Amino acid sequence: DTGVSQNPRHKITKRGQNVTFRCDPISEHNRLYWYRQTLGQGPEFLTYFQNEAQLEKSRLLSDRFSAERPKGSFSTLEIQRTEQGDSAMYLCASSLDFGGQETQYFGPGTRLLVL
Amino acid sequence: AQSVTQLDSHVSVSEGTPVLLRCNYSSSYSPSLFWYVQHPNKGLQLLLKYTSAATLVKGINGFEAEFKKSETSFHLTKPSAHMSDAAEYFCVVSDVGQGGKLIFGQGTELSVKP
Repeated sequence: DTGVSQNPRHKITKRGQNVTFRCDPISEHNRLYWYRQTLGQGPEFLTYFQNEAQLEKSRLLSDRFSAERPKGSFSTLEIQRTEQGDSAMYLCASSLDFGGQETQYFGPGTRLLVL
Repeated sequence: AQSVTQLDSHVSVSEGTPVLLRCNYSSSYSPSLFWYVQHPNKGLQLLLKYTSAATLVKGINGFEAEFKKSETSFHLTKPSAHMSDAAEYFCVVSDVGQGGKLIFGQGTELSVKP
């Protein structure tokens, strides 16, 4: 399978714990995006990387959230001191940027439940 | 700022009848527009995209959408619904020059009755 993969698919944690999610993009895709989707809503942009550089962060991304993309390959999204409001589906997407005509391909998501 | 409004949160059709899912957008620039579909417990799948070429865009599974600049609309249609079309559909805008990030509508849940 050469699509975008995300691990874990499901995560249940207690409030106050730290969690880390991983995203493996389609190989050779230079852009990687993170989105968050809550029940009954469309996904909302969190942050994106061009290669290893993090170029934009949404105001939704509080200082408890951090994302990395070392070496421009896979990416991790860490949430520190989780809160119940962090419960959501976290989606990763990747694309190949060529003059603004890119298409983003999404992974299956990681569903987080904070108790 | 760019935004997307999906005019119906839920649409119900009978199998074999036409599907119309409505979307209006707001964008300061020439937009790229997309429709994605999300089946339960599955990832988002691209149905079709518009990027300033032909205004009538054909996608997968018989879906198509027409870009109407004067009406700022990008409605999704299909001539004949199939049971497997039941899913959540998202209209999405991406502005060139905004890093490619996608702005999603609230979604329209499509139900197909036998």
